Amino acid sequence: KAGVTQTPRYLIKTRGQQVTLSCSPISGHRSVSWYQQTPGQGLQFLFEYFSETQRNKGNFPGRFSGRQFSNSRSEMNVSTLELGDSALYLCASSPLAGEKYFGPGTRLTVT
Amino acid sequence: GESVGLHLPTLSVQEGDNSIINCAYSNSASDYFIWYKQESGKGPQFIIDIRSNMDKRQGQRVTVLLNKTVKHLSLQIAATQPGDSAVYFCAETDSGNTPLVFGKGTRLSVIA
Repeated sequence: KAGVTQTPRYLIKTRGQQVTLSCSPISGHRSVSWYQQTPGQGLQFLFEYFSETQRNKGNFPGRFSGRQFSNSRSEMNVSTLELGDSALYLCASSPLAGEKYFGPGTRLTVT
Repeated sequence: GESVGLHLPTLSVQEGDNSIINCAYSNSASDYFIWYKQESGKGPQFIIDIRSNMDKRQGQRVTVLLNKTVKHLSLQIAATQPGDSAVYFCAETDSGNTPLVFGKGTRLSVIA
């Protein structure tokens, strides 16, 4: 079975721009979660989707948004980028709840 | 808010020795715990999990111990190999439908 895939793997943006990241979960998995990883804050939860519905949301500003499509693929969007948004954005999928399988991440650099 | 934390940020062990990585959690409602391994340039990889109705679980070369009395979790790696060098995270959740909360991570370095 193919693992979680994330595109793009690397991205460089400038302040004020917006960005969309994509995640394709493992086939059959209906839950997709997004995490932001930085050296200072570690892994922080952004949001979780299950069957196209947002089930949980972390403590991030409204500039961070996401969605899930009927095929379980998910996208997250960050608008009005700030330098502090530079991070590794990780997507994880799971069949229902519990164990999560992570993708390789998208490294976002904001200049 | 409550969060998962780790006692040691770095751990160096000789190849062939056993490694013990510790984790403290503060949410007494947490009932599911996972250890992840993250190598450079990769996403976290599932190692082993344990539910709160157990105090020990073994995998291949790894053992997780859970002490609910003191809210402590540990990962033991037997016969540590160079390929075990990575950052290890513990994560917790309650009832499985709440987000996983991750600890800060411990970097394990294996000395050949």
